[in-house]
Amino acid sequence: DAGVTQSPTHLIKTRGQHVTLRCSPISGHKSVSWYQQVLGQGPQFIFQYYEKEERGRGNFPDRFSARQFPNYSSELNVNALLLGDSALYLCASSLAGGVGAFFGQGTRLTVV
Amino acid sequence: TQLLEQSPQFLSIQEGENLTVYCNSSSVFSSLQWYRQEPGEGPVLLVTVVTGGEVKKLKRLTFQFGDARKDSSLHITAAQPGDTGLYLCAGELGNNYQLIWGAGTKLIIKP
Repeated sequence: DAGVTQSPTHLIKTRGQHVTLRCSPISGHKSVSWYQQVLGQGPQFIFQYYEKEERGRGNFPDRFSARQFPNYSSELNVNALLLGDSALYLCASSLAGGVGAFFGQGTRLTVV
Repeated sequence: TQLLEQSPQFLSIQEGENLTVYCNSSSVFSSLQWYRQEPGEGPVLLVTVVTGGEVKKLKRLTFQFGDARKDSSLHITAAQPGDTGLYLCAGELGNNYQLIWGAGTKLIIKP
């Protein structure tokens, strides 16, 4: 069975551009969470979606948005990229959110 | 301000030695998880503890949740080079549906 898959694996963008990151959860999982992990730090919570509804939002600016589709896959969008947005973006899926999340390999975003 | 403080931040020891990693907070967590992360990969869940005082064992790894559910420890017995990695603790606050993460402990086991 496929685990959590994220695309692309690596991405280089210029300041001011927009980026869309994609995540497919484990089959049967209805919850997707997004995290940002800056080098040398633990992940920081960005969003959680469950059954296509936003269930939680971390302390990130409005430039960050996300959505979940009927097949439970998800997109994370970041507008007006800043150098500080460079990070590993992680997607995690779980049956109903919270305990026991399974992570994808992440998307390494570099903003230049 | 980090809600979950992990210590030590970095640990390099010889194969065969024992070690303990700590995760402390002033907040009470409904559950706490330990993950291991390899460079360029996502974290992999090792264990979830939910009951105060709970102890779980995973081969040479022993995880303990504090009685007050504010802290946790990970003890590795007879460390192996394959244990090398970044160990992260993450706590769930009530039903907030989000995980609060520590900054991680980078562990290197030298052969």
